[in-house]
Amino acid sequence: EAQVTQNPRYLITVTGKKLTVTCSQNMNHEYMSWYRQDPGLGLRQIYYSMNVEVTDKGDVPEGYKVSRKEKRNFPLILESPSPNQTSLYFCASTRLAASPTDTQYFGPGTRLTVL
Amino acid sequence: AQSVSQHNHHVILSEAASLELGCNYSYGGTVNLFWYVQYPGQHLQLLLKYFSGDPLVKGIKGFEAEFIKSKFSFNLRKPSVQWSDTAEYFCAVTLFSGGYNKLIFGAGTRLAVHP
Repeated sequence: EAQVTQNPRYLITVTGKKLTVTCSQNMNHEYMSWYRQDPGLGLRQIYYSMNVEVTDKGDVPEGYKVSRKEKRNFPLILESPSPNQTSLYFCASTRLAASPTDTQYFGPGTRLTVL
Repeated sequence: AQSVSQHNHHVILSEAASLELGCNYSYGGTVNLFWYVQYPGQHLQLLLKYFSGDPLVKGIKGFEAEFIKSKFSFNLRKPSVQWSDTAEYFCAVTLFSGGYNKLIFGAGTRLAVHP
């Protein structure tokens, strides 16, 4: 079954304690992306990656890091989390499309609370 | 900058009422349009999409949307809503830029359907 998985699904942590949210896809997609969802703001892109070792900032990258050492995995790293990073996070993947008709597949979400 | 506007942040309807959720985007080039739905506690699911052709698009669960290019709009409709349609709905636009699909989301509309 084609899917995007994220772990953990729920996480409560404290300010300054480094954490990593994992994302994995089994569709051999080149393009992967992280979004955060906040009430009234919709989903905003944090970082994206077009292939292994190729990453770039999205619209709200401050306070986040990513890496893409393998095609299937795209972890999101918060080196020093702060309360304003409390949010619902989604990972997504898609083919690096030659045509714009491809859609993105979304993971189930990770609800992060930073105290 | 490109943006997606959803005019209604909260909509409350009774079962069997008709639904129309507005979505406008600001981009003069070629776009692909999507509506996603997020049921309580669940991840995003694709409701319907428009790439080209017939501007009236039919999706899952009785939803449809109409693309009106002159109005930069892609409104979502359903003739008769059910309690199970209670969810948050996101309009999104893909800009085919630089060989990948950057998805831009609207802020979302929370729909509550009362029995």
